[in-house]
Amino acid sequence: DVKVTQSSRYLVKRTGEKVFLECVQDMDHENMFWYRQDPGLGLRLIYFSYDVKMKEKGDIPEGYSVSREKKERFSLILESASTNQTSMYLCASSSEPSTDTQYFGPGTRLTVL
Amino acid sequence: ILNVEQSPQSLHVQEGDSTNFTCSFPSSNFYALHWYRWETAKSPEALFVMTLNGDEKKKGRISATLNTKEGYSYLYIKGSQPEDSATYLCASRNAGGTSYGKLTFGQGTILTVHP
Repeated sequence: DVKVTQSSRYLVKRTGEKVFLECVQDMDHENMFWYRQDPGLGLRLIYFSYDVKMKEKGDIPEGYSVSREKKERFSLILESASTNQTSMYLCASSSEPSTDTQYFGPGTRLTVL
Repeated sequence: ILNVEQSPQSLHVQEGDSTNFTCSFPSSNFYALHWYRWETAKSPEALFVMTLNGDEKKKGRISATLNTKEGYSYLYIKGSQPEDSATYLCASRNAGGTSYGKLTFGQGTILTVHP
């Protein structure tokens, strides 16, 4: 069974804190993605990575950075959390080219106070 | 940004009703259309991937159609059950370039099936 795990289901942080969200996949997938989901806006792509140490900006990268030191792990970093980064964060992975089906983790609900 | 639109935004039906909702996407440079189901407190789960104009896919009581020329896909649920309650997401991938499997998602349709 394919598996994508995220380090926390719920997280509460204060404004200005540095936040790390971790994602691990066990499918040996090349591609990994970070999305945020807000009511009425659907899933919006923050960053993605197509190989170790490679990264590409998605549609809303501002305020975020990422790290992919190992193939199975993709981290999302909020350098200085702000209240407008309160959201549900979802990680996904896929294998090119195939059908590009993305496999998702359960999400992390982040609240920034 | 590739715009993918879903309608309606939310839907309430009674158990046993059949229902359908729409996903529209730009038809130029089309490569693939995905449908996902996202139940509360779970991970989004892939339902269908469709690539060819006229494609129809079926999984139990759920089916989907694809029209790439006019840029829309329908998802149908026959005889809705309370366990069908979820957010249904569609996502489009366009062709060419180095998109690395990047998908653009619609905002989702929230389906609630009342017993």
